[in-house]
Amino acid sequence: EAEVAQSPRYKITEKSQAVAFWCDPISGHATLYWYRQILGQGPELLVQFQDESVVDDSQLPKDRFSAERLKGVDSTLKIQPAELGDSAMYLCASSSRIGPYEQYFGPGTRLTVT
Amino acid sequence: AQSVSQHNHHVILSEAASLELGCNYSYGGTVNLFWYVQYPGQHLQLLLKYFSGDPLVKGIKGFEAEFIKSKFSFNLRKPSVQWSDTAEYFCAVRGTGGFKTIFGAGTRLFVKA
Repeated sequence: EAEVAQSPRYKITEKSQAVAFWCDPISGHATLYWYRQILGQGPELLVQFQDESVVDDSQLPKDRFSAERLKGVDSTLKIQPAELGDSAMYLCASSSRIGPYEQYFGPGTRLTVT
Repeated sequence: AQSVSQHNHHVILSEAASLELGCNYSYGGTVNLFWYVQYPGQHLQLLLKYFSGDPLVKGIKGFEAEFIKSKFSFNLRKPSVQWSDTAEYFCAVRGTGGFKTIFGAGTRLFVKA
């Protein structure tokens, strides 16, 4: 069964360093999502792509976070500089462009900022 | 703005007990509704979804949910839980007029053997 791939699975970084996460969605899925999940809360959308275009990045802290999906396939989420409050699970998901838009999630990247 | 409220953050049940997890949402238009589950050590995965039609939807592993439009609710049910149902359950709502899916805070279910 096709899966969403994410790497790395775990990342420990120091405050003020740069960090990047990678996601490869299910083949053929036009929509790609990056979520942040803090312990005890549900996933919060950071950015959503339709093909290579951003359709929602209203909750992305743009002063330090950036995301790209240059060829409309895989995607990178970057944080620079990382802050202590960025410690969280970063989830990638994908869905087809046709409803009902059920999302397939990757295993996530657990980020710890020290 | 869209929002999703899950009433119970932690639920503890014995095996064979019945389960109902509450989910209410706030959105003025037509919605797609989802329940996702995360078993210990596993990815978030879809449990069931409502797109249109019959408001009673059945999912995997004996779960079902009922969409009550007048109450803005989409409660998850299972008549008899098993130890293997121990997991975190998330309700999610997508307004058909927009792109974003909003997730609730989740309910952690622990089933005692």
